[in-house]
Amino acid sequence: KNEVEQSPQNLTAQEGEFITINCSYSVGISALHWLQQHPGGGIVSLFMLSSGKKKHGRLIATINIQEKHSSLHITASHPRDSAVYICAVSSTGNQFYFGTGTSLTVIP
Amino acid sequence: EAQVTQNPRYLITVTGKKLTVTCSQNMNHEYMSWYRQDPGLGLRQIYYSMNVEVTDKGDVPEGYKVSRKEKRNFPLILESPSPNQTSLYFCASSLYGGTQYFGPGTRLTVL
Repeated sequence: KNEVEQSPQNLTAQEGEFITINCSYSVGISALHWLQQHPGGGIVSLFMLSSGKKKHGRLIATINIQEKHSSLHITASHPRDSAVYICAVSSTGNQFYFGTGTSLTVIP
Repeated sequence: EAQVTQNPRYLITVTGKKLTVTCSQNMNHEYMSWYRQDPGLGLRQIYYSMNVEVTDKGDVPEGYKVSRKEKRNFPLILESPSPNQTSLYFCASSLYGGTQYFGPGTRLTVL
């Protein structure tokens, strides 16, 4: 059972490209989270959202509750954006479920 | 500095030798949780706690125990570790319903 599905699994982009990572989920949620994990392992929360759209610098996250779908966009990608991006949901039952991650490599 | 700390960061042990991984947060968060991360499987929740003396099973609780006697601490106990518990473990905390803050991770190898 995969409560959270992400695509693509791997993504290589040229510096400056616009990037989209998709996430779909099958459980009732209280919020959806986008996380970033750099080589070396540390995990940082980028966004938490329950409706609409949020923007932080070059990163934009959107969610469509009716379609149970979220996207993470990176505008003007840069090599320092290279990382694994993980979609997670906090369910209405207070549990967390995670996608398997999207490994992004941005080439200069 | 607001942070979640875990100890040890690296541990190699043998099958059956009880161990505890500590987790502590200094942000007065109610919610704390343990996750394991395995290649191809991603992060999976082991146990979580909504507050002191309240703990609940996540997706993969078998072989693990937790306790929440104080708000800041949430240790993970492996009473009889087995090789299939070799993994990267993360502790995290948040205000109820809020953004999760992750610890640096503990890489455990069980021989």
